[in-house]
Amino acid sequence: AQSVTQLDSQVPVFEEAPVELRCNYSSSVSVYLFWYVQYPNQGLQLLLKYLSGSTLVESINGFEAEFNKSQTSFHLRKPSVHISDTAEYFCAVREDYKLSFGAGTTVTVRA
Amino acid sequence: EAEVAQSPRYKITEKSQAVAFWCDPISGHATLYWYRQILGQGPELLVQFQDESVVDDSQLPKDRFSAERLKGVDSTLKIQPAELGDSAMYLCASSLAAGMNTEAFFGQGTRLTVV
Repeated sequence: AQSVTQLDSQVPVFEEAPVELRCNYSSSVSVYLFWYVQYPNQGLQLLLKYLSGSTLVESINGFEAEFNKSQTSFHLRKPSVHISDTAEYFCAVREDYKLSFGAGTTVTVRA
Repeated sequence: EAEVAQSPRYKITEKSQAVAFWCDPISGHATLYWYRQILGQGPELLVQFQDESVVDDSQLPKDRFSAERLKGVDSTLKIQPAELGDSAMYLCASSLAAGMNTEAFFGQGTRLTVV
């Protein structure tokens, strides 16, 4: 069975600074990887996903994540954050039919 | 744009009462998921349907929770009786299939408060 570990529960960051959210997973088989974002009192929205091919995947709003099979990681990065990026971010892993989530990282962007 | 519909958005109920949540997935999506998200934690899968069949309900507290998807389309999650610890966000999601490369789309959730 897989598990998902998000190493940082809270990440405060200043506007226009870079941010990295760490995600590690444990699985003995191939997995598909996702990052979701959740704004207050909302459902989860897909930010980006790794299914196959290039290990670096990007979102339309400047986020990117890199799949590292040897380190079983899928860290999320953004080189310059905006106030509107304040939200909770969840890493998720699909193994077989099951989609499992990490505990989440709360990003707070300050001016 | 197609989306997963959930109702109600918010529900306050007294402990020991019954409560029900409804979910209408995106049209054509065979797989439907119910997740529970306790404040400050990630979503936890309660039950997963493939069409009308349950494929995983290992984390569903079956003494008080039940879920159905009778016609393989919309779904209802019920809690009876509700307990204080059931206070959480209940999220419904759907995907085309349960395959590895399919993305899950989430509804807005139902925020349950048990008093």
